[in-house]
Amino acid sequence: DGGITQSPKYLFRKEGQNVTLSCEQNLNHDAMYWYRQDPGQGLRLIYYSQIVNDFQKGDIAEGYSVSREKKESFPLTVTSAQKNPTAFYLCASMGGGNNEKLFFGSGTQLSVL
Amino acid sequence: AQKITQTQPGMFVQEKEAVTLDCTYDTSDPSYGLFWYKQPSSGEMIFLIYQGSYDQQNATEGRYSLNFQKARKSANLVISASQLGDSAMYFCVKNTGKLIFGQGTTLQVKP
Repeated sequence: DGGITQSPKYLFRKEGQNVTLSCEQNLNHDAMYWYRQDPGQGLRLIYYSQIVNDFQKGDIAEGYSVSREKKESFPLTVTSAQKNPTAFYLCASMGGGNNEKLFFGSGTQLSVL
Repeated sequence: AQKITQTQPGMFVQEKEAVTLDCTYDTSDPSYGLFWYKQPSSGEMIFLIYQGSYDQQNATEGRYSLNFQKARKSANLVISASQLGDSAMYFCVKNTGKLIFGQGTTLQVKP
């Protein structure tokens, strides 16, 4: 079945460490997105990519980095510059057109040790 | 910046009754899409309904319907015959290439 896979489900980061969250989709979607969700809050856009080898900053890109070397993959790195990384991270993808629905992964909960 | 506003942070509804979740948005785009998603406590995001800005009729999907008022820039979600499993957080989302989420409304269905 087609879908989006995020891994790991839970991730712990030590102070000063970079960690990478994986997001893979087999839906042949061009657009992929990373969102951050804090408890009881909405989703805030970190980065998005509408085509391979191209990506744009969202509303809260500082302290994060991404790459889009393959259509299927859009990994997110939480760098040591992100001072408050504890949150739930959701990856999503979407096909072309405004009426395509957004497919979400199951999320990664990142916590700081 | 374009914005989605959900003015109800939390709502209660009695089981089997209908409930309306509000959503208003800013836009200068002639064409856009509006979605509603449900997020239960497990964290997964579940697609509920879609409305295109040029659609002549309001969208419906089973117990979900969207009260789309383009001139007022509102896209309220109506859930009929509420069930206990409807208890969750609900997000209104606008798509113009860049997806914008509202802050969400937490719905609790009382038995």
